[in-house]
Amino acid sequence: DAKTTQPNSMESNEEEPVHLPCNHSTISGTDYIHWYRQLPSQGPEYVIHGLTSNVNNRMASLAIAEDRKSSTLILHRATLRDAAVYYCILRDIIQGAQKLVFGQGTRLTINP
Amino acid sequence: DTEVTQTPKHLVMGMTNKKSLKCEQHMGHRAMYWYKQKAKKPPELMFVYSYEKLSINESVPSRFSPECPNSSLLNLHLHALQPEDSALYLCASSRRRETLSNEQFFGPGTRLTVL
Repeated sequence: DAKTTQPNSMESNEEEPVHLPCNHSTISGTDYIHWYRQLPSQGPEYVIHGLTSNVNNRMASLAIAEDRKSSTLILHRATLRDAAVYYCILRDIIQGAQKLVFGQGTRLTINP
Repeated sequence: DTEVTQTPKHLVMGMTNKKSLKCEQHMGHRAMYWYKQKAKKPPELMFVYSYEKLSINESVPSRFSPECPNSSLLNLHLHALQPEDSALYLCASSRRRETLSNEQFFGPGTRLTVL
């Protein structure tokens, strides 16, 4: 299984941008980069995914390095509700189903 | 309806008990998943069902027995568990084909305690 490396924890202030890095140096050409987050006492929640190009959605932006060995999840204006563990995952497809192998994730703390 | 429901929310069982966890979704997804999450650890994949057939078993002990009776329902039957099996059990679902929206939708989990 392809592996990702993330900082254990990060801290930011409310209403400021947050950049969450992820290294995935063993990524293969067909691996999609997925980000999920898990709020306290909840199941994980999909945030965003991409393959080669940068991606934007209502929750966040995903910036992917040209060599695809790293990516950065960007929360443009953090709120207290964004405090969660953020997981960067390389998605595999096996027999028509996704296999997500979660790394240790980054625990994001937002200060008011 | 973009929700995955899991019952029960909490379960306490003895090592000789037999119990089942239930997961349901009505999004028309044809892939369903069981994950196990220990405290302060990431979720670990246990089983994947695709079109009601078991696609992936991540070498899970036989005391965990999954079942997918139809496309909306996923069960996890538990028997002779050990205290170290105490964890949050998460269910998820997704569309099967990678060309379609392929996010996984997770339920809130069942918190299992084995005494």
